[in-house]
Amino acid sequence: QVQLQESGPGLVKPSETLSLTCTVSGGSVSSRSYYWSWIRQAPGKGLEWIGHIYYDGSTNYISSLKSRVTISLDTSKNQFSLKVTSVTAADTALFYCARVYRGWPGVDSWGQGILVTVSS
Amino acid sequence: DIQLTQSPSFVSASLGDRVTITCRASQGIGIYLAWYQQKPGKAPKLLIYAASTFQSGVPSRFSGSGSGTEFALTVSSLQPEDFASYYCQQLNSFPYTFGQGTKVEIK
Repeated sequence: QVQLQESGPGLVKPSETLSLTCTVSGGSVSSRSYYWSWIRQAPGKGLEWIGHIYYDGSTNYISSLKSRVTISLDTSKNQFSLKVTSVTAADTALFYCARVYRGWPGVDSWGQGILVTVSS
Repeated sequence: DIQLTQSPSFVSASLGDRVTITCRASQGIGIYLAWYQQKPGKAPKLLIYAASTFQSGVPSRFSGSGSGTEFALTVSSLQPEDFASYYCQQLNSFPYTFGQGTKVEIK
């Protein structure tokens, strides 16, 4: 059974870059069957899809974050990563990595989430 | 990006009540819609995909319907474990956006 685990700093200063990594076990980020995604949830708010990456490195991001977000893949480590530049307090959130099947049922596995706070 | 609008944002209901949550898409998405349940501090749990197909293990009191731009999630008889937040998500086109959520609380 696939497992996803987020890691990274829990505190980032305003204007800096937020960097998170998702380590995948029990599955391969090189699989053509899945997209590997990042989703965030601000405290007390709803889920926000950030974007995803495919095995070939192709990406797609939500329009509101596209200018500040990069998702990348490291097949040698079976990981994928998220970078968000120029963060503000509004970027404080619980960040989830997730696996999305190319077909139904869609998002079939989630990490436990990692809280990132943007504060000086 | 496709926008999903859920209503209501908040529901106050009693045990045994029937509750319906709607999700409207800004453009047609066929049946490419999923519903999730989320409890505090936990990752979302998939309930329904393809608008009306149960994920394995989901109680039959949950049902989904709709196609195109109008969708609904119905809980036929609320149980204590159903008090949670619910989200729809479209998987018709990238990015796979979510609705803003509906919180179901005990009256």
